[in-house]
Amino acid sequence: DAMVIQNPRYQVTQFGKPVTLSCSQTLNHNVMYWYQQKSSQAPKLLFHYYDKDFNNEADTPDNFQSRRPNTSFCFLDIRSPGLGDAAMYLCATSRVPGLALSTDTQYFGPGTRLTVL
Amino acid sequence: AQSVTQLDSHVSVSEGTPVLLRCNYSSSYSPSLFWYVQHPNKGLQLLLKYTSAATLVKGINGFEAEFKKSETSFHLTKPSAHMSDAAEYFCVVSALYNTDKLIFGTGTRLQVFP
Repeated sequence: DAMVIQNPRYQVTQFGKPVTLSCSQTLNHNVMYWYQQKSSQAPKLLFHYYDKDFNNEADTPDNFQSRRPNTSFCFLDIRSPGLGDAAMYLCATSRVPGLALSTDTQYFGPGTRLTVL
Repeated sequence: AQSVTQLDSHVSVSEGTPVLLRCNYSSSYSPSLFWYVQHPNKGLQLLLKYTSAATLVKGINGFEAEFKKSETSFHLTKPSAHMSDAAEYFCVVSALYNTDKLIFGTGTRLQVFP
């Protein structure tokens, strides 16, 4: 089935040790998103790609970077994880931008739960 | 700016009884509104979406929501709760000037008792 896949599902890293989270999609969607969801909170958008065009949210810390080498894959890099970065990281895709104007929506992966020791 | 307020952080119902999850929105234009469900340690799944067509929107798993502009509400309902409905539910609005951006409410945790 077409889907959004995130690897690994659980990731443990040490304080300050760089970590990369992976997202892949078989939907051939143009837009890919990364969200951070802390415990008992709503997901918060970090950034998204429309094709190769990167769009960063204004309040996303510089510690968070992203790469999209091709349509199918998108990576989230955390350069120096702090204890406050422990969270669930959700990847999502959509076929086109402009969700409000279309019948489209975002399709979410299962998430990667990051623990920082 | 757009925002959503989910009026209850927790809702508990018995299996077979109706479900009501309340959501109010704030928007300076006609919004697109969504309800997503998140089961434990799972990603978000779209239940339904309103995009200025019919005000009563039917979704998956027997859920529906009614857009009421006069009350700025988009409450989620289901006539009869099932144990499998126990999850976190998010009311979501899309942003005005960045319509790729979804703005989430703080969520409502639904518990279903046998």
